[in-house]
Amino acid sequence: AQSVAQPEDQVNVAEGNPLTVKCTYSVSGNPYLFWYVQYPNRGLQFLLKYITGDNLVKGSYGFEAEFNKSQTSFHLKKPSALVSDSALYFCALGLMEYGNKLVFGAGTILRVKS
Amino acid sequence: DGGITQSPKYLFRKEGQNVTLSCEQNLNHDAMYWYRQDPGQGLRLIYYSQIVNDFQKGDIAEGYSVSREKKESFPLTVTSAQKNPTAFYLCASRMDRVAPQHFGDGTRLSIL
Repeated sequence: AQSVAQPEDQVNVAEGNPLTVKCTYSVSGNPYLFWYVQYPNRGLQFLLKYITGDNLVKGSYGFEAEFNKSQTSFHLKKPSALVSDSALYFCALGLMEYGNKLVFGAGTILRVKS
Repeated sequence: DGGITQSPKYLFRKEGQNVTLSCEQNLNHDAMYWYRQDPGQGLRLIYYSQIVNDFQKGDIAEGYSVSREKKESFPLTVTSAQKNPTAFYLCASRMDRVAPQHFGDGTRLSIL
C-alpha cells in the first residue's frame, strides 16, 4: 500500500542551526515526492518535489531534500534555520495512476527558537 | 494575480443542513481536488476531478458531493449524512501530471 510516514510530531531547533524533517514512504513503482509548508489557518505552500534525476533537490526559501531510494526516505533539510521557518511541514507522495492524488504524512511541527 | 479562492473562510452548519464550500481557480488548471484536514492526521482526499463534467471519489467521499460544470469551479457540498464535518477543508488544482498541486487558503467548517 502507498503511504507516507513522518516519524516526528515536532522538531525543535535553534536559529542558525541546521534542521532536518524526516519522511519515509512506501510505494510500488517510482515515487513522486513533495514537501509542503503550512502556516496557521492558511493553505499549503509548495517547497520542492522529486520526480526523477538528482537525489538532492533544491527548493524554495533555502530548503532542500535528499531522496534515498534504498532507505525509502525523502528528508527535508536546511543549513541554517530561521525563526520564520516555524510552521507545519507535510511530506506527500504523488500517485500518477490515481489522478495524481497526493497521499500525505501526518505532518511535523517545526519550532525554531531564537 | 492567479490563484485559488476558497469561500467562505469560516462556515457554520446546523444539524441536518447541507452546506456548500466554494472553490474557484483562475490558473487554467485542468485538475482540481478537495482535501479534509484534521489535527494530527494530515490531509485526506475527498473528491477529485481531472476534467470538466467528470470527477472521482477519493478516500473519504461518504457524506460529500461535488460538481464540475466549469473548468474554474469545483464546489463541495457537505451533506447531512456527514456526521463529523468539523474540519479544515482545502481545495487544490494542478496543471499537468508532474506539476505540484496549488492550494487555496481553506474553509473552516464547524457545527452549531
